[in-house]
Amino acid sequence: SYVVTQEPSVSVAPGQTATIRCGGNNIETKSVHWYQQKPGQAPVLVVHDDTDRPSGIPERFSGVKSGDPATLTIRRVEAGDEADYYCQVWDSDNGQPIFGGGTTLTVL
Amino acid sequence: EVQLVQSGAEVKKPGESLKISCQVSGYVFTAYWTGWVRQMPGKGLEWMGIIFPRDSETQYNPSFQGQVTISADKSIATAYLQWDSLKASDTAIYYCVRVIRRHLSNWYFDIWGRGTLVSVSS
Repeated sequence: SYVVTQEPSVSVAPGQTATIRCGGNNIETKSVHWYQQKPGQAPVLVVHDDTDRPSGIPERFSGVKSGDPATLTIRRVEAGDEADYYCQVWDSDNGQPIFGGGTTLTVL
Repeated sequence: EVQLVQSGAEVKKPGESLKISCQVSGYVFTAYWTGWVRQMPGKGLEWMGIIFPRDSETQYNPSFQGQVTISADKSIATAYLQWDSLKASDTAIYYCVRVIRRHLSNWYFDIWGRGTLVSVSS
């Protein structure tokens, strides 16, 4: 079945840019969606369809997909951005959505 | 305001049955698919299945097919997830989600409930 890979953790200093990656076979042909899950809270959609932000999501969050991997970029990182970030794509092999394993963002 | 309000935490014993709920407001329940996502303790997200409340059509992740039942009551804008016989391995947080289906091979989950913690232990 399709496998979505994410690095387990990323650390970044406040004010810097965080890059969170999402890889998979032919991922450039799939729509990638990103979710943020803060500790003890439900996930929140932050980017859908590779690059689109839902209303209320700061412009600091942006999705980029120009190949493999797809990336979620968070500019001017703040302490409040500490969270787990999950990417999600369509698993064509099994005809269902599938999540990556998640990346924990730590703000130093 | 769009909301998915889930039922409260449950503590059950193995073998017991359970039905948890998700009541939606702020949008037309029958116009969107509603789904369920599992998160086991300390783990990631897993899609379980979805339902289209207008006609109760369902689709399940094969990993959950036969293990749970998803249903909906459109008269009260509520979706359900139920187990006939719980196992300890069902211990998890279960999230209700609104599903956006751009087309058959592009779905995402734009609104999430706060989750229902289900604990199963003898």
